[in-house]
Amino acid sequence: SAVISQKPSRDICQRGTSLTIQCQVDSQVTMMFWYRQQPGQSLTLIATANQGSEATYESGFVIDKFPISRPNLTFSTLTVSNMSPEDSSIYLCSVEEGGNTEAFFGQGTRLTVV
Amino acid sequence: KQEVTQIPAALSVPEGENLVLNCSFTDSAIYNLQWFRQDPGKGLTSLLLIQSSQREQTSGRLNASLDKSSGRSTLYIAASQPGDSATYLCAYYGGATNKLIFGTGTLLAVQP
Repeated sequence: SAVISQKPSRDICQRGTSLTIQCQVDSQVTMMFWYRQQPGQSLTLIATANQGSEATYESGFVIDKFPISRPNLTFSTLTVSNMSPEDSSIYLCSVEEGGNTEAFFGQGTRLTVV
Repeated sequence: KQEVTQIPAALSVPEGENLVLNCSFTDSAIYNLQWFRQDPGKGLTSLLLIQSSQREQTSGRLNASLDKSSGRSTLYIAASQPGDSATYLCAYYGGATNKLIFGTGTLLAVQP
């Protein structure tokens, strides 16, 4: 199974600032995914990041607010821009490997915006 | 709209009990279904993956079943332990959407 390292594990940020979350995978993967989990809620897909192309965003999420980089097949970043308290959530990166599309997740980044 | 419902939302049991967590979904064209464990404030740990052609998967004290025709999956935990306390999420990979659709989870507390 893929091992995913995500950092930071948690942060407390001032409103109006930006935070970049890093996700490193121990093997090359074609697709990486970024999710948001708001307090008491389940996971919602933000975007899918493929190497060498623009990320594909889900309805309700825009590139200006959540820019994503995918410079190679083992690394991706998600930036949460111009943060407000409503952005306080757990952000998770995920990969899928193999033809059976089993999903693996990083440890998550617990973001609190004050 | 694809929906995933998990029942119960919360469950508290004494140590040693066998228990069943339920997951129901409305999409008939699923590719697979996966059960995850999530500790508070943490990421997800994959427990079991069931392909659409399979009926069940087992790993240690865990057994997951899948009934596509009725849109249901169950996670059976045998001889529960306090270390099993966590939120359990089911998610299916939808053939129509090509993405994981998550349930809201069952919060399990196993009392020593």
